[in-house]
Amino acid sequence: NAGVTQTPKFRILKIGQSMTLQCAQDMNHNYMYWYRQDPGMGLKLIYYSVGAGITDKGEVPNGYNVSRSTTEDFPLRLELAAPSQTSVYFCASSPTGSNQPQHFGDGTRLSIL
Amino acid sequence: GQNIDQPTEMTATEGAIVQINCTYQTSGFNGLFWYQQHAGEAPTFLSYNVLDGLEEKGRFSSFLSRSKGYSYLLLKELQMKDSASYLCAVFNDYKLSFGAGTTVTVRA
Repeated sequence: NAGVTQTPKFRILKIGQSMTLQCAQDMNHNYMYWYRQDPGMGLKLIYYSVGAGITDKGEVPNGYNVSRSTTEDFPLRLELAAPSQTSVYFCASSPTGSNQPQHFGDGTRLSIL
Repeated sequence: GQNIDQPTEMTATEGAIVQINCTYQTSGFNGLFWYQQHAGEAPTFLSYNVLDGLEEKGRFSSFLSRSKGYSYLLLKELQMKDSASYLCAVFNDYKLSFGAGTTVTVRA
């Protein structure tokens, strides 16, 4: 059982480049989330989705876009990378939006130089 | 808005007990989660409280007082592998809001 899979694990980007962080889950979870975690800080919610075709902004959405065409996949797009987006990005999923724990992927460590 | 506070660091000795406090002031509240995060790894679920009182799960217990906006995570019989960051998170409206985390260092 793979759970939540994120790719790539590491990436270095130049300022202004774009890239997509991939997230896939095989647990048939409806809810999916993208967080960023800066050193010494808690996780900040970027975007979330309550099901295929439905997405909404979280606390820090600027500079990012998402899509949810299937239940399994929830990619995060950076269009014009900026140094402030250097962070560790975590994707998570949960079965419903009620009080069930979120399951996290292993993260993508992104540096923008 | 969301304001979730927890101490930055704590140090304790192997075999001891440590209590990590979390206070919150949030616009809504449906429950409180505790996650453990080892350095360089993903957070993993530890406990969940929705009602006031103590929830016990082996060496870990979590307490909630909704009227006081307060929770704590109690780690008993500390082991070296418990050295990690512990994240307090308030659940509301399908979303989690996290505190900055408390780094616990267990010394031999």
